[in-house]
Amino acid sequence: TQLLEQSPQFLSIQEGENLTVYCNSSSVFSSLQWYRQEPGEGPVLLVTVVTGGEVKKLKRLTFQFGDARKDSSLHITAAQPGDTGLYLCAGRYGQNFVFGPGTRLSVLP
Amino acid sequence: NAGVTQTPKFQVLKTGQSMTLQCAQDMNHEYMSWYRQDPGMGLRLIHYSVGAGITDQGEVPNGYNVSRSTTEDFPLRLLSAAPSQTSVYFCASSSRVNEQFFGPGTRLTVL
Repeated sequence: TQLLEQSPQFLSIQEGENLTVYCNSSSVFSSLQWYRQEPGEGPVLLVTVVTGGEVKKLKRLTFQFGDARKDSSLHITAAQPGDTGLYLCAGRYGQNFVFGPGTRLSVLP
Repeated sequence: NAGVTQTPKFQVLKTGQSMTLQCAQDMNHEYMSWYRQDPGMGLRLIHYSVGAGITDQGEVPNGYNVSRSTTEDFPLRLLSAAPSQTSVYFCASSSRVNEQFFGPGTRLTVL
């Protein structure tokens, strides 16, 4: 059974601070996705990383896939209140995905 | 395009009752799936379908049935509801597995 762990579970920071959240597994995934979910809504895809060592940037968000394709990180620069939400990582195995439990981020103005 | 739609948004059932959660997509996606989301556990795959007439079990299929008679619709049936099925249910669709689009969810409470 593939398992994904995410840390920290909760994170509360002030507007303007930087942060990094992590997604780790003992399994190798063919690709990994990051989603953001807001209360009462479904997850929304932010990025997919496929190649070990790959780095992708989406405005103030930087995503990295580990060289061994077992872990990933999400770095947010100068966080804003609009970044508040639940951040989920999901690793692909076969034609399906396994999700981590998420990091709940709160950015205070 | 409406994307992925789910009905109802909220539902309360008594133990032993049955019901169907509806999911529809208008993007002509072949792949559709159902997840449940519980606090601290992320999303867990219940059932999935790679096309009309084809369904398969995910990680937590017990107590649930699905069918896929059309590309657009993928209903999830609870045969005899149990309190352990209290959860938020999400339907997702994708043209390729790397681009999942999620519906807004159904919040189900089983008393």
